[in-house]
Amino acid sequence: SAVISQKPSRDICQRGTSLTIQCQVDSQVTMMFWYRQQPGQSLTLIATANQGSEATYESGFVIDKFPISRPNLTFSTLTVSNMSPEDSSIYLCSVERTFGSGTRLTVV
Amino acid sequence: SQELEQSPQSLIVQEGKNLTINCTSSKTLYGLYWYKQKYGEGLIFLMMLQKGGEEKSHEKITAKLDEKKQQSSLHITASQPSHAGIYLCGARRNTGTASKLTFGTGTRLQVTL
Repeated sequence: SAVISQKPSRDICQRGTSLTIQCQVDSQVTMMFWYRQQPGQSLTLIATANQGSEATYESGFVIDKFPISRPNLTFSTLTVSNMSPEDSSIYLCSVERTFGSGTRLTVV
Repeated sequence: SQELEQSPQSLIVQEGKNLTINCTSSKTLYGLYWYKQKYGEGLIFLMMLQKGGEEKSHEKITAKLDEKKQQSSLHITASQPSHAGIYLCGARRNTGTASKLTFGTGTRLQVTL
């Protein structure tokens, strides 16, 4: 199965700023998925990132807030823009059945 | 209501005891995944079930899928402190192993000495 390297592992950010999270996969994959896990909650899918096309966002998530890049078949980034304390969560990328180690974001 | 309901929400068991976690879907299942998550960390894949009646085991963890009931159970035999964490079931809603997953509410397991 694929191996995913996700970074940063954690960050503390000021409100109003943006953070970009990176995921690198050790093999070429068509689809990558980005999830959010709010404190004490389960995982919610943010969007599906396909190489060569725009990401597909789930209900409640918009591109302006969570822009995604997918420049090739092994790499993707998720940006959390104009952050507020409500964005404090763990963000995870996934390919097939494998998940990255997560990015714990705290917005102060 | 949630598409995937897990029960119980939390569980405290004594080391050496057996336990079962259930995951029930309100929609058709095309695949059921079980994961374990340590606090604040990523998800560790445990096993995937696709066919009704399928049963898989990994060390002391066994999972079964009841396709008719759209339900899966995860059973841990002789629990150990290393089993502590959050167990999540995830459902694939269409064919194709690369498709997105919908997750259950999670079960937090504590194992006491």
